[in-house]
Amino acid sequence: GAVVSQHPSRVICKSGTSVKIECRSLDFQATTMFWYRQFPKQSLMLMATSNEGSKATYEQGVEKDKFLINHASLTLSTLTVTSAHPEDSSFYICSARDISGLYNEQFFGPGTRLTVL
Amino acid sequence: GQNIDQPTEMTATEGAIVQINCTYQTSGFNGLFWYQQHAGEAPTFLSYNVLDGLEEKGRFSSFLSRSKGYSYLLLKELQMKDSASYLCAVMDSNYQLIWGAGTKLIIKP
Repeated sequence: GAVVSQHPSRVICKSGTSVKIECRSLDFQATTMFWYRQFPKQSLMLMATSNEGSKATYEQGVEKDKFLINHASLTLSTLTVTSAHPEDSSFYICSARDISGLYNEQFFGPGTRLTVL
Repeated sequence: GQNIDQPTEMTATEGAIVQINCTYQTSGFNGLFWYQQHAGEAPTFLSYNVLDGLEEKGRFSSFLSRSKGYSYLLLKELQMKDSASYLCAVMDSNYQLIWGAGTKLIIKP
């Protein structure tokens, strides 16, 4: 299957700092990428849909000025958590849709565990 | 509203068979996915159903009934490594994935 990488895998930062997370599709072009967050023992929560070359579409309740998304190329999307606070600590997962894939399924990156002190 | 229901937790014995059910109500339907997620890891794709019936893939099978808004994932010959959460997700008319809360499967020796 298609491979999606995510970097960093784990980050610990101080409150008030900004953190950038990269998501790359390694062997396919992804016109659409998705950003999720997941709290312990809860399901995935879609934060935003990122389309190459256009502005991201944010889900209700997700602050676009706090969670900046850039999808500048067909293989890279970035999520920047600005002025992070302890409540932003979570598992952030990106996925990419392979439009040439058999099922139009999403392939997930390995996730980034963010801890804000 | 859109809704995906699946049991929160199930327990099964190594070597046995387990069926995880999923019912859904969504605006439109463009297929149903099952993903496996081990603790602390990202989900991995297991199966996709868009037509009614059973899709078999090794020890795992997935069934869909669109008229009933129902699917199940069947795991045979359970192994300890099958202990994970199993997520049901439906692709709606906007090709957006609607996720269930996941079923935590515990395998006992």
